[in-house]
Amino acid sequence: DTGVSQNPRHKITKRGQNVTFRCDPISEHNRLYWYRQTLGQGPEFLTYFQNEAQLEKSRLLSDRFSAERPKGSFSTLEIQRTEQGDSAMYLCASSLRGVYGYTFGSGTRLTVV
Amino acid sequence: KNEVEQSPQNLTAQEGEFITINCSYSVGISALHWLQQHPGGGIVSLFMLSSGKKKHGRLIATINIQEKHSSLHITASHPRDSAVYICAVGFADGSEKLVFGKGTKLTVNP
Repeated sequence: DTGVSQNPRHKITKRGQNVTFRCDPISEHNRLYWYRQTLGQGPEFLTYFQNEAQLEKSRLLSDRFSAERPKGSFSTLEIQRTEQGDSAMYLCASSLRGVYGYTFGSGTRLTVV
Repeated sequence: KNEVEQSPQNLTAQEGEFITINCSYSVGISALHWLQQHPGGGIVSLFMLSSGKKKHGRLIATINIQEKHSSLHITASHPRDSAVYICAVGFADGSEKLVFGKGTKLTVNP
C-alpha cells in the first residue's frame, strides 16, 4: 500500500469556477477525514466519513462545499463557485482506529485567482 | 472549549543543540499526536501518545495528563530537522477529529 494519495497536488482556478479533489485512503482504513490548512495555521477539520457515511461536518463546510465517499473507498471534495478565501491546502487523512492512528496524504494546494 | 496551544511559534537553533517544543491543551484527551510538516505540505506522523513517554531515534515525546501538557524534544539537532512541528489532539468528547496547534517552525543552522 502506498499510503494516502491525493490528487491533484496543485490546482489553480479562477474565482467562480468549481473544483474537485480526490483522496484515496489506505485500503483497509474505514475512516476518512478532510482538513483545510491556511498559511501559517494548523489544519482545521472539515468532515469525516466512516465507510460511506458522513458522520461529522464542521461549520467551516459551507453550502458551497460537498464531500462524498460513495463506496466507502475513495472520497471527493467539491468546492462550487470558488472564492479567494478558499485558497488553502486541503489535506486528507485515513484511519482504522480513529484518533489513535491517522495517516495523512500530501495534500492538494488550491489557489483561487 | 477544546483548544491547543503550542510554543514557541518560531525556533532557530545551531546544529547539535537540544530542542524542546511545548504543547498544552484545555480539557481531557484521548490521544495527542506530534506531526512534522515540510515545505510542500505533506504531514508525517512522529508520535501518538495517550500517556508517558515515547522515543524514536533522536526524538522524544512526553505527556503529562494531569498538567495537560506535552513536549517534543530533539537531541543533537541537525539541519534536516528543519520543518514545522505540529501538535494535534483528539479530545475525549467522542469526536474523531483532531484539533491542531498552529505549529512551531524550526530552523536548524549548520
